[in-house]
Amino acid sequence: DIQMTQSPSTLSASVGDTVTITCRASQNINRWLAWYQQKPGHVPRLLIYQTSTFEPGVPSRFSGRGSETEFTLTISSLQPNDFATYYCQQYQDYPWTFGQGTRVEI
Amino acid sequence: QVQLVQAGGGVVQPGGGQRLSCVASGFNFLTYGPHWVRQAPGKGLEWVAFLSSDGTTEFYADSVKGRFTISRGTSSDTVYLNMNNLRTDDTAVYFCATLISPDVWGQGTTVAVS
Repeated sequence: DIQMTQSPSTLSASVGDTVTITCRASQNINRWLAWYQQKPGHVPRLLIYQTSTFEPGVPSRFSGRGSETEFTLTISSLQPNDFATYYCQQYQDYPWTFGQGTRVEI
Repeated sequence: QVQLVQAGGGVVQPGGGQRLSCVASGFNFLTYGPHWVRQAPGKGLEWVAFLSSDGTTEFYADSVKGRFTISRGTSSDTVYLNMNNLRTDDTAVYFCATLISPDVWGQGTTVAVS
């Protein structure tokens, strides 16, 4: 199975900051990587798929990059609504796997 | 309105079984290849199962393989997750979802094995 490792586990930031979350795959997943946002008590929300393609309605301050085994999600000009937990997920091979999550907190 | 509505869940004893259902409206859920995802209390997301759009191929997480079965109903809008031989570490909120794009999730249903 492909293991997904996110770093950091927790990230402290302020409104207006630019933050970057890293996701590493245990083997080459090409660009088959998605990012989700989840707020407490809410259903996850897809932000980006295929490494850098936006789901409709996602603000342009989110951006995704990477290939093969290393990927990043960058949030520019952090907004109060962005404080949440973020998960990467590979869909190169089954079983699909998620990273352990990165909590972005104030 | 595009949505997935889940039913089932509750408290079950270890070794018992449960069936979760997921009914789609406003779109053909099965076309996208439905998934189940779970989240244990205070933990991250765990992908659980997938059913291909033609219903012929299934994939499972290693943690549930041989115990859980994903299936489709007789209508094209319902997917089930049959769970047998439940363990305490299966306690979680279970979501049905399309995953990737389009992004549609059920509201989640809690299964507590105790």
